[in-house]
Amino acid sequence: QVQLVESGGGVVQPGRSLRLSCAASGFTFSGYGMYWVRQAPGKGLEWVAVIWYDGSDKDYADSVRGRFTISRDNLKNTLYLQMNSLRPEDTALYYCVRVKGSELLDYWGHGTLVTVSS
Amino acid sequence: SSQLTQDPAVSVALGQTVRITCQGDRFRDYYANWYQLKPGQAPVLLIYSRDNRPSGIPDRFSGSISGNTASLTITGAQAEDEADYYCNSRDSSGNPVVFGGGTKLTVL
Repeated sequence: QVQLVESGGGVVQPGRSLRLSCAASGFTFSGYGMYWVRQAPGKGLEWVAVIWYDGSDKDYADSVRGRFTISRDNLKNTLYLQMNSLRPEDTALYYCVRVKGSELLDYWGHGTLVTVSS
Repeated sequence: SSQLTQDPAVSVALGQTVRITCQGDRFRDYYANWYQLKPGQAPVLLIYSRDNRPSGIPDRFSGSISGNTASLTITGAQAEDEADYYCNSRDSSGNPVVFGGGTKLTVL
């Protein structure tokens, strides 16, 4: 069965960096686009970044563009999110999500919590 | 970007029917998908492309679209349906996807 397991979250000071990982299994990882979606405490879902199945294209929410980088290693079946210049407003639960087409988010991980605080 | 508007909170008596709505001009051109979020659990896709259920989703969940409103209907709500529900759709204003603000469902 499809499994997405995020890791790498934690508490970090403003301005510092963090890298999230998502280990995928149970499907042909190289055949699917992938999202990072986050949920801040008490807030709704917000898409963060998306990467095409082969890594050839990427897109970012305005709130993270220029600070976050999404990447993938299709040989290791792993998705990444490099987060630089972190801000308190980046505090959230970050989900790794498989996408079919452009907006059908059909499998989600449990999420990894990122807290940006001094 | 496009907006998808959901009621923040809805309640339903156990065993009754409830409709959760999602308003937006996207639905004239694109389908709606629905997700269920519970604390400590991975979010679950409930309904896709307006009215399709993934394997394993109970048939008490159904979806529909009328005009600019997408709806998720739970027929015979169960205690375990108490959760947050989000709609999403394609966004044509430069972003690949848009989410509604979410609806917290309470089962009384």
